[in-house]
Amino acid sequence: NAGVTQTPKFRILKIGQSMTLQCTQDMNHNYMYWYRQDPGMGLKLIYYSVGAGITDKGEVPNGYNVSRSTTEDFPLRLELAAPSQTSVYFCASSGHVSDQPQHFGDGTRLSIL
Amino acid sequence: AQRVTQPEKLLSVFKGAPVELKCNYSYSGSPELFWYVQYSRQRLQLLLRHISRESIKGFTADLNKGETSFHLKKPFAQEEDSAMYYCALTSRNFNKFYFGSGTKLNVKP
Repeated sequence: NAGVTQTPKFRILKIGQSMTLQCTQDMNHNYMYWYRQDPGMGLKLIYYSVGAGITDKGEVPNGYNVSRSTTEDFPLRLELAAPSQTSVYFCASSGHVSDQPQHFGDGTRLSIL
Repeated sequence: AQRVTQPEKLLSVFKGAPVELKCNYSYSGSPELFWYVQYSRQRLQLLLRHISRESIKGFTADLNKGETSFHLKKPFAQEEDSAMYYCALTSRNFNKFYFGSGTKLNVKP
């Protein structure tokens, strides 16, 4: 079982470049989440989705965009990369109600130089 | 505001010693609380949740609503318990999870 799959695993971007972090899950989960984790810090919620076509902002949404056109996929877009977005990004999904445990991907380590 | 606090960044104990990882939360409703663990080179994964009242790998956690705490305990630590541990909070009424900053547990031989 693949669970939650994130690509790429590592990426280096230049300031001002854009990119999309991919996340897909094969568990038919309604809820999907994007977090960032800065060194020595906890996970902070960027965006989340409660189902296809529905997204909402988390704690730190500035500089990011998401879409949820299918149940499986929840890509995260950085439009104008900034050094402050250097972080490890985690995608997660959970079942059919919001209080179910989350399943995480392996993370994407992103550096903006 | 909903918050999860893990006051210790690093906790070092010897093998066989008891361990307690602290977690305090602030939430005005009925929270669901979880402990997640991340072993070296592995994904973040669920360790246990308070509603299950179960013991996983010898770990237990009791929700204390009076003290707003959800400390993780194990009577005899093992070297394989060395990992990052995160406390997390959510509820059925909102769709977000809040994670603490994590505690790194180091079990020395």
